[in-house]
Amino acid sequence: GQNIDQPTEMTATEGAIVQINCTYQTSGFNGLFWYQQHAGEAPTFLSYNVLDGLEEKGRFSSFLSRSKGYSYLLLKELQMKDSASYLCAVRDQYSNYQLIWGAGTKLIIKP
Amino acid sequence: GAGVSQSPSNKVTEKGKDVELRCDPISGHTALYWYRQSLGQGLEFLIYFQGNSAPDKSGLPSDRFSAERTGGSVSTLTIQRTQQEDSAVYLCASSPRDRGYEQYFGPGTRLTVT
Repeated sequence: GQNIDQPTEMTATEGAIVQINCTYQTSGFNGLFWYQQHAGEAPTFLSYNVLDGLEEKGRFSSFLSRSKGYSYLLLKELQMKDSASYLCAVRDQYSNYQLIWGAGTKLIIKP
Repeated sequence: GAGVSQSPSNKVTEKGKDVELRCDPISGHTALYWYRQSLGQGLEFLIYFQGNSAPDKSGLPSDRFSAERTGGSVSTLTIQRTQQEDSAVYLCASSPRDRGYEQYFGPGTRLTVT
């Protein structure tokens, strides 16, 4: 079956670094996405990885290992506004458009 | 430019009533998706429209759910004879044709069935 696993909730301190992990088991793979969703708001696109390695974009980086079915989102210099849910999603190679979504990781930032 | 808009933002309805949820995608985006998100859950795919092609309805949970997209733009999701388990946030997203993997979400409609 298709499955995306992420921790339900994480807590981190303002100014610190946090790593949010995502593991997936899908029948095929054609890219992994991270989205940010603030409470009561729509998800917004953060990153897209299709090849192995680290993609850096400002304070946020996303890593992918296809052989391990594993990704992480790394957030540096945490700010209070980073408190949100972070959703991992995988695009199946058999579908050009359907994404398989994880339940999301709620990140709580404390001062 | 304008993003994806949805209306209403909140809807409270009585069990058994019909509801219509509206989505206005980003102008020029050919793909449109409907998702459902229950509290603490991931996004559940409902239906996908791409241009003038037949929609992919494989995610609709029952025949009480239907959706249409008029003129390749605005879409309406209709839920007939609502049940309490239909309570959720209904999200709409659109994508440009050449980057179908980038989905731009609307703010959602929070549906509460009492």
